[in-house]
Amino acid sequence: AQSVAQPEDQVNVAEGNPLTVKCTYSVSGNPYLFWYVQYPNRGLQFLLKYITGDNLVKGSYGFEAEFNKSQTSFHLKKPSALVSDSALYFCAVREGDSNYQLIWGAGTKLIIKP
Amino acid sequence: EAQVTQNPRYLITVTGKKLTVTCSQNMNHEYMSWYRQDPGLGLRQIYYSMNVEVTDKGDVPEGYKVSRKEKRNFPLILESPSPNQTSLYFCASSSDSYSNQPQHFGDGTRLSIL
Repeated sequence: AQSVAQPEDQVNVAEGNPLTVKCTYSVSGNPYLFWYVQYPNRGLQFLLKYITGDNLVKGSYGFEAEFNKSQTSFHLKKPSALVSDSALYFCAVREGDSNYQLIWGAGTKLIIKP
Repeated sequence: EAQVTQNPRYLITVTGKKLTVTCSQNMNHEYMSWYRQDPGLGLRQIYYSMNVEVTDKGDVPEGYKVSRKEKRNFPLILESPSPNQTSLYFCASSSDSYSNQPQHFGDGTRLSIL
């Protein structure tokens, strides 16, 4: 069975500091992994994805994520946080080459303090 | 502009009064999906559609109906709404559900069932 976990409900970071939002997953085969961001009163927006290839994936707004197969993780990172990065972040996974639907994490609220 | 449009954005109604939430996309996407978002639960899929006239149940389909008579539209129907269907609803589309393509989301519909 597929599953995804975001172990932190909320992450607080000072502006200018590096940030990490954690995601771990469980699938039977090769994972397709995604990060989305949700700003208040808006729908989710795609940030980045890992399908295959380089374990370090770069995405929108300066975000990147590292796929770690041995730890079954796909943590979202940014070297220097901005106040405007404050939002709700969702990790999603599905088993590649299957007809399974995406499974979504519960979301992590990221708060960047000036 | 490529977009997914949901209407209404907000609705307060009463138990048992049938309602429809419309969803339209202008990207000629094959795949469309409905989710509900509840605090601490992330996104849960209600129904999805791989193509015109093809729909399938997601994780929480009870109490909902959908139809896909044309590619661009995917309405969500609550025949007899109940208070436990009070939630934030999102429609999403993607060029192909079996590929690695990200989903595009509408801005959401907040339903309150009294």
